[in-house]
Amino acid sequence: QQQVKQSPQSLIVQKGGIPIINCAYENTAFDYFPWYQQFPGKGPALLIAIRPDVSEKKEGRFTISFNKSAKQFSLHIMDSQPGDSATYFCAARRGAGGTSYGKLTFGQGTILTVHP
Amino acid sequence: DVKVTQSSRYLVKRTGEKVFLECVQDMDHENMFWYRQDPGLGLRLIYFSYDVKMKEKGDIPEGYSVSREKKERFSLILESASTNQTSMYLCASSSTPNTEAFFGQGTRLTVV
Repeated sequence: QQQVKQSPQSLIVQKGGIPIINCAYENTAFDYFPWYQQFPGKGPALLIAIRPDVSEKKEGRFTISFNKSAKQFSLHIMDSQPGDSATYFCAARRGAGGTSYGKLTFGQGTILTVHP
Repeated sequence: DVKVTQSSRYLVKRTGEKVFLECVQDMDHENMFWYRQDPGLGLRLIYFSYDVKMKEKGDIPEGYSVSREKKERFSLILESASTNQTSMYLCASSSTPNTEAFFGQGTRLTVV
């Protein structure tokens, strides 16, 4: 059972384009939604994160949009660069009050390629 | 900087062998996690630990066990390796349940 569904599986854009990666979740106990970036041969690293009381968060060229009622969130990369080529994972974290507090559930991942 | 170190980058083991994957973190973090990463499936949680000698099952614990005898070290054990355990294994740690998780570089395990 995949509690966080991510799409698309792969994405190719030209330099300067705006790739968008989408995620949907089911469990309303999630209270924190991070995005991780992974380069080949490396472990994932936190890129940006949002809490459900906010509809949008920007950090540099990266923006998360969050729709609590639809249980969906997405990552937008403005003015994408070849150096942004990586695998991106969305995730959702269980809130306090249960035995799984702090546990991250990940989406399936999106392989992004930005052509020069 | 937080450093999460996994003892091996690549491992090749035979079916039926007992396999140990080691992970060490240097930031005195309370929480440690083991994930496996497979194409199209993302990262799936195998086991996690909130304290020394404490462990909890994740989403896919079957065929695995863990050990946490010291705060900085979290070991994943494949009791009898099988080919379907060929995967990338990632260790992570965080200081508390609601803070950022830091990942190691991963161990690519091949079971033949």
